[in-house]
Amino acid sequence: NAGVMQNPRHLVRRRGQEARLRCSPMKGHSHVYWYRQLPEEGLKFMVYLQKENIIDESGMPKERFSAEFPKEGPSILRIQQVVRGDSAAYFCASSPTGGFNTGELFFGEGSRLTVL
Amino acid sequence: DQQVKQNSPSLSVQEGRISILNCDYTNSMFDYFLWYKKYPAEGPTFLISISSIKDKNEDGRFTVFLNKSAKHLSLHIVPSQPGDSAVYFCGGSGNTGKLIFGQGTTLQVKP
Repeated sequence: NAGVMQNPRHLVRRRGQEARLRCSPMKGHSHVYWYRQLPEEGLKFMVYLQKENIIDESGMPKERFSAEFPKEGPSILRIQQVVRGDSAAYFCASSPTGGFNTGELFFGEGSRLTVL
Repeated sequence: DQQVKQNSPSLSVQEGRISILNCDYTNSMFDYFLWYKKYPAEGPTFLISISSIKDKNEDGRFTVFLNKSAKHLSLHIVPSQPGDSAVYFCGGSGNTGKLIFGQGTTLQVKP
């Protein structure tokens, strides 16, 4: 049973370009979470999605960031017009029950975005 | 609004001794508290959790203690091993399903 798969593992973009990060949850998991870790900082919640629905986007920056989890395919975190401050590690996590049973989320290896 | 705080950015202990990592929280609605371990360039991995209705949970060398009146929890690792050197994140989970993490504590276990 494969774990949470994220790609690309490393992404380099120039300022103003778009970044797309993909996350395939574990098999049987329908709840996906995105977190961001800025350099020298902790893990910050961004968004919680179920299939075709955004449940909680309270941690998402108001502009340039969007997320989706379509009925088919991986979850996508999209960052438009990237700036240097977007350079960070972006982690995806999944859960079969939305974390309601034990709180446990299963994390991917992360996607490291570098903005030049 | 920092709902979960880890006030010690780093901790260094000798191999074989006890490591104690601390965590404070402000949100009384958390149902579970979890500890995750993270190595550089890897994703966080689940270590141990505790329900808000309990005060202790033990798993091998790892024990988590919860003091609800003080809104404080701690992770004890005994005996500490060099392979335990990593960043440890404390997190709280409530009825929204999302995990709120502290800033992390870097543990270094010296041989």
